[in-house]
Amino acid sequence: DAGITQSPRHKVTETGTPVTLRCHQTENHRYMYWYRQDPGHGLRLIHYSYGVKDTDKGEVSDGYSVSRSKTEDFLLTLESATSSQTSVYFCAISSGYEQYFGPGTRLTVT
Amino acid sequence: GIQVEQSPPDLILQEGANSTLRCNFSDSVNNLQWFHQNPWGQLINLFYIPSGTKQNGRLSATTVATERYSLLYISSSQTTDSGVYFCAVTGANNLFFGTGTRLTVIP
Repeated sequence: DAGITQSPRHKVTETGTPVTLRCHQTENHRYMYWYRQDPGHGLRLIHYSYGVKDTDKGEVSDGYSVSRSKTEDFLLTLESATSSQTSVYFCAISSGYEQYFGPGTRLTVT
Repeated sequence: GIQVEQSPPDLILQEGANSTLRCNFSDSVNNLQWFHQNPWGQLINLFYIPSGTKQNGRLSATTVATERYSLLYISSSQTTDSGVYFCAVTGANNLFFGTGTRLTVIP
């Protein structure tokens, strides 16, 4: 299995608070991605990175920001969490072909 | 974005039965992957298959890129095959997912 970890694995937070999720890889892959999974929607891309400090928006990027200051870490930040951001968040990595997914973070915004 | 449709949405099988899952996509793609999401939520890579046929044990997959579909075959199903099977295709740098086929294998 690809070396991908996500932290935290579970988080409950209140509306309006900032939240940062971390994705860490040990594979030295160039590409990293953040997805959210919601019932009836499958997985949808939030943001992705194609190198250190190189990021771009995905399908559902509103309300999210990302940063990648080193190859192994990709951070997803919710500046002011809303209830609509309650979801399961997955990080993925790729060398350009297959994508491999982390274990996911379950975020609940109350 | 690229539209990805999977069928059937739900499937219930008796252990030992065979099944075929289908994935249709709306545009030409660079690659296609099949994933299994187990009951604990983990996404497991099954196949990277932009075209042609691959086999891995009881599972095999075929993609006909010119006709924009892919098939996942599960033979001699086991209870551990239960979960959701996703097809995902790449356009540009996005991976577009279908909404999955939920498979339940009954002992």
